[in-house]
Amino acid sequence: KAGVTQTPRYLIKTRGQQVTLSCSPISGHRSVSWYQQTPGQGLQFLFEYFSETQRNKGNFPGRFSGRQFSNSRSEMNVSTLELGDSALYLCASSVGQVNTEAFFGQGTRLTVV
Amino acid sequence: QQPVQSPQAVILREGEDAVINCSSSKALYSVHWYRQKHGEAPVFLMILLKGGEQKGHDKISASFNEKKQQSSLYLTASQLSYSGTYFCGTENYGGSQGNLIFGKGTKLSVKP
Repeated sequence: KAGVTQTPRYLIKTRGQQVTLSCSPISGHRSVSWYQQTPGQGLQFLFEYFSETQRNKGNFPGRFSGRQFSNSRSEMNVSTLELGDSALYLCASSVGQVNTEAFFGQGTRLTVV
Repeated sequence: QQPVQSPQAVILREGEDAVINCSSSKALYSVHWYRQKHGEAPVFLMILLKGGEQKGHDKISASFNEKKQQSSLYLTASQLSYSGTYFCGTENYGGSQGNLIFGKGTKLSVKP
């Protein structure tokens, strides 16, 4: 079956702009989690959605937001971009039950200039 | 609370063994291990659900010491294909389901 698909793969934005990233989970998976990956910090948890509801949220400013649609596809939005937002953004999907394997997408590489 | 991984990096020769540790300051409900190769997405290795549990997968195994709030990943007779960054992800008691917090990773390089 198809894996987790993230679009776009690469993105260059200017400071102050906003950006929307998309994640299509594996068919049948109801949970989508988002992570920010930078060289020094590893995988930083942003938020997790399950059945269109945000179930968990990491320690990121309000400029980072997300949503999940009825088909489990998820989007995350970053407003008023800062240089420090440059990172690889990964989404992971799982069936949503506790202690189950998460499948990661290839990520979106965001560069803010 | 982000788990702490050690060492941060390790270089091995093919055939050598390595241990990667993952420690938390909070009581752990479960520990997940993932490996990420350069330019690729993290890939699931295993989940440990209860104290004392040990699991193995090929020559990669892990243990979970619930009391010490730590897990260790053992790589035996390493192969070139083991190179990558290993992440542990933890779920804490009292945390919400689906809230998987990852450590900063351990970069493993296996040389011929």
